[in-house]
Amino acid sequence: GAVVSQHPSRVICKSGTSVKIECRSLDFQATTMFWYRQFPKQSLMLMATSNEGSKATYEQGVEKDKFLINHASLTLSTLTVTSAHPEDSSFYICSALGTGGSYNEQFFGPGTRLTVL
Amino acid sequence: QKEVEQDPGPLSVPEGAIVSLNCTYSNSAFQYFMWYRQYSRKGPELLMYTYSSGNKEDGRFTAQVDKSSKYISLFIRDSQPSDSATYLCAMSAETTDSWGKLQFGAGTQVVVTP
Repeated sequence: GAVVSQHPSRVICKSGTSVKIECRSLDFQATTMFWYRQFPKQSLMLMATSNEGSKATYEQGVEKDKFLINHASLTLSTLTVTSAHPEDSSFYICSALGTGGSYNEQFFGPGTRLTVL
Repeated sequence: QKEVEQDPGPLSVPEGAIVSLNCTYSNSAFQYFMWYRQYSRKGPELLMYTYSSGNKEDGRFTAQVDKSSKYISLFIRDSQPSDSATYLCAMSAETTDSWGKLQFGAGTQVVVTP
């Protein structure tokens, strides 16, 4: 299957700082990427849909000014957690949908564990 | 009420046994049904993908979808210790607004003991 990478894999930051997480599709182009958040022993919750060249669409309850998403190319989407607080500590996972658009072409990254002190 | 319900387990089985996992859902618009495997601190990996109702088999894995009961299942035959992981069901509706968006179950932790 195709490969999606995330960087960094783990980040620890102080409260009030901003953190950027990158999601890259390494061997395919992805017009659509998704960002999920997963709390310990809980399921993945969709945060937003990122479309190349356009504004992200956010799920209900997700603050767009806090979680900034940029999808500047067909292989890269970034999630910036602005003014992070301890309650933002979580496992952030992206997925990339291949240009064929089929569900069996949606590949997940390995995740980024964010800890806010 | 959550759209997708899945027993979080843990489910412990001896090596060689059949693992039986299931999810129920409430949204009748769901048409795409997936099962993912997730190892600790890793991203989910797609195991099975089914459109609408029916059965699908791939090696030791069998996925079943019963849309009339809003119930999906995953069976793992001849389970191995390497199958120990969290198994997540996911589903999506076939609408323009929801294309690609997955609703996940809570995940069932499976432990296969040697």
